[in-house]
Amino acid sequence: GAGVSQSPRYKVAKRGQDVALRCDPISGHVSLFWYQQALGQGPEFLTYFQNEAQLDKSGLPSDRFFAERPEGSVSTLKIQRTQQEDSAVYLCASRGDSYEQYFGPGTRLTVT
Amino acid sequence: EDQVTQSPEALRLQEGESSSLNCSYTVSGLRGLFWYRQDPGKGPEFLFTLYSAGEEKEKERLKATLTKKESFLHITAPKPEDSATYLCAVPRGTNDYKLSFGAGTTVTVRA
Repeated sequence: GAGVSQSPRYKVAKRGQDVALRCDPISGHVSLFWYQQALGQGPEFLTYFQNEAQLDKSGLPSDRFFAERPEGSVSTLKIQRTQQEDSAVYLCASRGDSYEQYFGPGTRLTVT
Repeated sequence: EDQVTQSPEALRLQEGESSSLNCSYTVSGLRGLFWYRQDPGKGPEFLFTLYSAGEEKEKERLKATLTKKESFLHITAPKPEDSATYLCAVPRGTNDYKLSFGAGTTVTVRA
């Protein structure tokens, strides 16, 4: 079956612009996660959804970051008023009945 | 605080030269340890989950082992296609979903 997909794959934003990153999880996966990965580092947890409920948003770096999953499938990570420090790869992962998280290819965000 | 440390940061191997990567962790009540492979420009690809000390899992030229304080990823007779960054992760705190990742070991295998 299809894996996790993310779009766009690359995004360049001018500082101060708003961006929206999309994640399509594996069909039927209840749990969805967003991570941020800086160059040369491992992914850092941002937020967790179970179906449409956002159960943990403790990793979101500021109130400029907002995530939603209104129908319990597709999720969007929105960053308002982007700053240079927001430049990173944003990864989405989903999990079904097993314990493992399956990752998408990521969106590379560059803020200029 | 829960921590995951991987060593070495980089590993250069000749094709066929076996080696091991280390992942040490400090977390109370381990709820599993995960190994992922990440190729440049791609997301992490799941390899293994280990749950208890003494457990071993194998996939092709890779074998993962787990002790109470660390995990090893052994690469036997590597090929150039094994070149990648290998990440380990453990669930953080009292939950089973918030993964803490190490910074990874970048393996380069020369033909």
